[in-house]
Amino acid sequence: EAEVAQSPRYKITEKSQAVAFWCDPISGHATLYWYRQILGQGPELLVQFQDESVVDDSQLPKDRFSAERLKGVDSTLKIQPAELGDSAMYLCASQDSYSTDTQYFGPGTRLTVL
Amino acid sequence: QQQVKQSPQSLIVQKGGISIINCAYENTAFDYFPWYQQFPGKGPALLIAIRPDVSEKKEGRFTISFNKSAKQFSLHIMDSQPGDSATYFCAAYNNAGNMLTFGGGTRLMVKP
Repeated sequence: EAEVAQSPRYKITEKSQAVAFWCDPISGHATLYWYRQILGQGPELLVQFQDESVVDDSQLPKDRFSAERLKGVDSTLKIQPAELGDSAMYLCASQDSYSTDTQYFGPGTRLTVL
Repeated sequence: QQQVKQSPQSLIVQKGGISIINCAYENTAFDYFPWYQQFPGKGPALLIAIRPDVSEKKEGRFTISFNKSAKQFSLHIMDSQPGDSATYFCAAYNNAGNMLTFGGGTRLMVKP
């Protein structure tokens, strides 16, 4: 069964450092999402891509966060500089938006900022 | 603005019992309501979903009940098992913007 891949699974960094997360969606899924999930809460959308274009980044803190999906396949989410409050699980999800409303999630990257 | 409210935050059920989790939404533009199950350290996995044109959907031990007029829906887990212990999230999907809004989650513990 096809799955969304994410790496790294865990990342520990010091504040003010730069971090990057990678996501490879299910093959053929045109829509890709990045979510942030704080411990004990539901995921919150950061950015949504349709192919290589950003559809919604209204909740992305653009002073420090950036996301790209250059070829419309895999995607990278970057934080620079990281702050203590960025400690969370970063989840990637993909969707075959032409045929289904279902989003499939990857295992996530657990970020700890010290 | 929390558009999907979920309760309870935590739930303890004996093995074999029924687990019930409730959600309420505000936005009438939502047209698809999935439930996700999440184990510690893992991403959410789709469990079951319903559209507002039906009042109930059952898959195995899992049932969604949907009340469109009250803008409420609930998940029932029959014959709950220890392996069902996880965090459950209801969600609501707005097809117009491909937006998925999650509830706050319910941490379920099924005691053996």
